[in-house]
Amino acid sequence: GEDVEQSLFLSVREGDSSVINCTYTDSSSTYLYWYKQEPGAGLQLLTYIFSNMDMKQDQRLTVLLNKKDKHLSLRIADTQTGDSAIYFCAESSGQGGKLIFGQGTELSVKP
Amino acid sequence: DVKVTQSSRYLVKRTGEKVFLECVQDMDHENMFWYRQDPGLGLRLIYFSYDVKMKEKGDIPEGYSVSREKKERFSLILESASTNQTSMYLCASSLTSGSHEQYFGPGTRLTVT
Repeated sequence: GEDVEQSLFLSVREGDSSVINCTYTDSSSTYLYWYKQEPGAGLQLLTYIFSNMDMKQDQRLTVLLNKKDKHLSLRIADTQTGDSAIYFCAESSGQGGKLIFGQGTELSVKP
Repeated sequence: DVKVTQSSRYLVKRTGEKVFLECVQDMDHENMFWYRQDPGLGLRLIYFSYDVKMKEKGDIPEGYSVSREKKERFSLILESASTNQTSMYLCASSLTSGSHEQYFGPGTRLTVT
């Protein structure tokens, strides 16, 4: 079945770039998503990319998609302490708006 | 601004109790979802609904049921709570099946003792 995999933890220093990686199995996914969960809160959509694109940039965020390797990454430039959160990768499953989520990567930003 | 609210932030129940988790959205969204979130496992879909009185099983429906009598409200029911249902429960909604964004509530942390 469909599966989305992420590493669980990433620690960076304030001002550095963070790169969060994700692999997925469903090659028919139309869209891939990055959600952010701040402590004590639900998830919020950060950005998404259509499967026929290989890059999308939105201010400090860059999403790279390698469709051949089924690999998605999220780069956060100039990472700030406010970026500390759990980041979830998700793919659309095509069934009634369902999403398949990865395990989430906990990003810790040290001053 | 879309708002998804959940009836409780924290809930403690005893094994065998019937538990109701309520979710309300105020933006006339068609789709609603219930997930549970566990460390290292991410979000797993329990049930979803794409219309009033319609429901579909997600990946882990066992031990749960749902009710959607009104468009804005989606309830998750634990018929007989067990300790392995201790978890964070997240509700979400989306406008239609083609929508990119699911809007999430703040979550209910349920502890079953």
